[in-house]
Amino acid sequence: EPEVTQTPSHQVTQMGQEVILRCVPISNHLYFYWYRQILGQKVEFLVSFYNNEISEKSEIFDDQFSVERPDGSNFTLKIRSTKLEDSAMYFCAKNLLAGNTIYFGEGSWLTVV
Amino acid sequence: SQQGEEDPQALSIQEGENATMNCSYKTSINNLQWYRQNSGRGLVHLILIRSNEREKHSGRLRVTLDTSKKSSSLLITASRAADTASYFCATVEIGTSYGKLTFGQGTILTVHP
Repeated sequence: EPEVTQTPSHQVTQMGQEVILRCVPISNHLYFYWYRQILGQKVEFLVSFYNNEISEKSEIFDDQFSVERPDGSNFTLKIRSTKLEDSAMYFCAKNLLAGNTIYFGEGSWLTVV
Repeated sequence: SQQGEEDPQALSIQEGENATMNCSYKTSINNLQWYRQNSGRGLVHLILIRSNEREKHSGRLRVTLDTSKKSSSLLITASRAADTASYFCATVEIGTSYGKLTFGQGTILTVHP
């Protein structure tokens, strides 16, 4: 059973459209994260989320991005107006305690055309 | 070099041989984690080693950490074709949130049957 389930697995969207990527972290973890991996490049940290608020974000995570956990289960990443350079694999991740193993989901491929 | 640099970038071996991958980093860390990624798939956690630990084992995997040299190694013994994947080290730097992993570029391991 996967620790983290992400949907969609793949999405193609037009430039300028809004995209919402979803993550369902199975089990009662407290810390949640989004990472992205542009094809052929390193995995990059976007944002960490704890106790229903952002605890840290990278310079990549600008005003076009937002995160929320509205119903206490799903954890979402929203990109308001997608750009071609947003094309990447987006990973949701979580851990139970700070400093412990971080588990990643299978990722959501986002292709912006 | 950047935080979390793996060496070599690519490694090709025969089934049954051992594979050693190295990782160097630049800052002081809380912990270092190794991940595996099959092509186009999610990140699978392998081992977490804390800054006060020197060696850890998990099955056919052995990880060492030398904080004085700011380096880590991942050894896979008796490799199998199924071990073919990209392997990444990722560090949690002191002073950042525990979920902010800084990844290296990765080592592409190919195990020939």
